[in-house]
Amino acid sequence: NAGVTQTPKFQVLKTGQSMTLQCAQDMNHEYMSWYRQDPGMGLRLIHYSVGAGITDQGEVPNGYNVSRSTTEDFPLRLLSAAPSQTSVYFCASSYAGQTDTGELFFGEGSRLTVL
Amino acid sequence: EDQVTQSPEALRLQEGESSSLNCSYTVSGLRGLFWYRQDPGKGPEFLFTLYSAGEEKEKERLKATLTKKESFLHITAPKPEDSATYLCAPHSPEDNNDMRFGAGTRLTVKP
Repeated sequence: NAGVTQTPKFQVLKTGQSMTLQCAQDMNHEYMSWYRQDPGMGLRLIHYSVGAGITDQGEVPNGYNVSRSTTEDFPLRLLSAAPSQTSVYFCASSYAGQTDTGELFFGEGSRLTVL
Repeated sequence: EDQVTQSPEALRLQEGESSSLNCSYTVSGLRGLFWYRQDPGKGPEFLFTLYSAGEEKEKERLKATLTKKESFLHITAPKPEDSATYLCAPHSPEDNNDMRFGAGTRLTVKP
């Protein structure tokens, strides 16, 4: 049972390049989300999904796109990377909306540097 | 706007030296207060959910308590393996599917 798997673990981009961070979970969770974590700040929600075909914006959605075509996968796309997007990105999943228990299962993170 | 403040930012303890971490929050209509542990280079790991003032939860050397404005994570006789960053996240109905994480307290326990 792998849990939440994120790829790549590390990535360096140049300003203006695009890329996709992959996230997959094998727990049949309906809820999935993407956070970014910056030094001195708490985790901030980028986008989330309560099920296949449904996505919504979180606190800091600008510059990021998501889609949810299957229950298992929730990729995060950066269309034109900017240095302000340098961060550590975490994907998380839950049995239900995180309003229920708060028990999110996190991946190990993807560290992105934009030059 | 909802605020979450964790203190101290960093805490160094000797093995066996008990202490407490603080999470103060200003949210209206708290639905739950969550604690997570995060090891370096890893994703956060769920510890506790507290729902109402006066509630307590325990796990090994950790005990979480909740008041109307604060939550404390008490660490009794810590061991080096308790070294990690501890994150709190209060949740209110106004946040919908979001939860506002604090910046965390980085705990180091020296042998």
